[in-house]
Amino acid sequence: QVQLQQSGPGLVKPSQTLSLTCAISGDSVSSDSTTWNWIRQSPSRGLEWLGRTYYSSKWYNDYAVSVKSRITISPDTSKNQFSLQLNSVTPDDTAVYFCARFNWGNNWFDPWGQGTLVTVSS
Amino acid sequence: DIQMTQSPSSLSASVGDRVTITCRASQSINTYLNWYQQKPGKAPKLLIYLASSLQSGVPSRFSGSRSGTDFTLTISSLQPEDFATYYCQQSYSTPITFGQGTQLEIK
Repeated sequence: QVQLQQSGPGLVKPSQTLSLTCAISGDSVSSDSTTWNWIRQSPSRGLEWLGRTYYSSKWYNDYAVSVKSRITISPDTSKNQFSLQLNSVTPDDTAVYFCARFNWGNNWFDPWGQGTLVTVSS
Repeated sequence: DIQMTQSPSSLSASVGDRVTITCRASQSINTYLNWYQQKPGKAPKLLIYLASSLQSGVPSRFSGSRSGTDFTLTISSLQPEDFATYYCQQSYSTPITFGQGTQLEIK
């Protein structure tokens, strides 16, 4: 059974960098036909897909236009995990952040991490 | 980006009622439409994938259908554990997008 375990701080100061990690068990971050995603949820934005990383002969990333200039999603094959970095955060980035697996064969997000509430405040 | 418009945004119903939630895509997405249920403090849970396929372990009172770019989630007989928020999500193209949600409340 695949499980995703998120870790990272719940409070970040404005203009600083939000960093979260998603540890994978039961699958590999390097799996073919699988993407590893970050999604956030807030009352103002609803569920918003932020981006993904995946391996297909080499590593690829795709990002949402709304955060493209500030976001990095990167794999760590040695620890079988992937991470999110969001730079220059503002209070508008306050949200619950989820990591999730997406398999192209199945075409759905499953499983999800437990979610991390990140508050941007001084 | 493909916009997903869900309706209604909220719905009050009673145990035993039949409930329908609709999601409209702004362009063709074939059958690349999933439905999720979310309860407070939890991650979304997959109910229906590819518009009409029931995820393993999900009760058969949940069903999905498609008509063009309109998609429907139906709960045939509401149970107390079904009161939650429901989201549609398209996986036809990137960026992957979600509907704004339908909050199902007890009448």
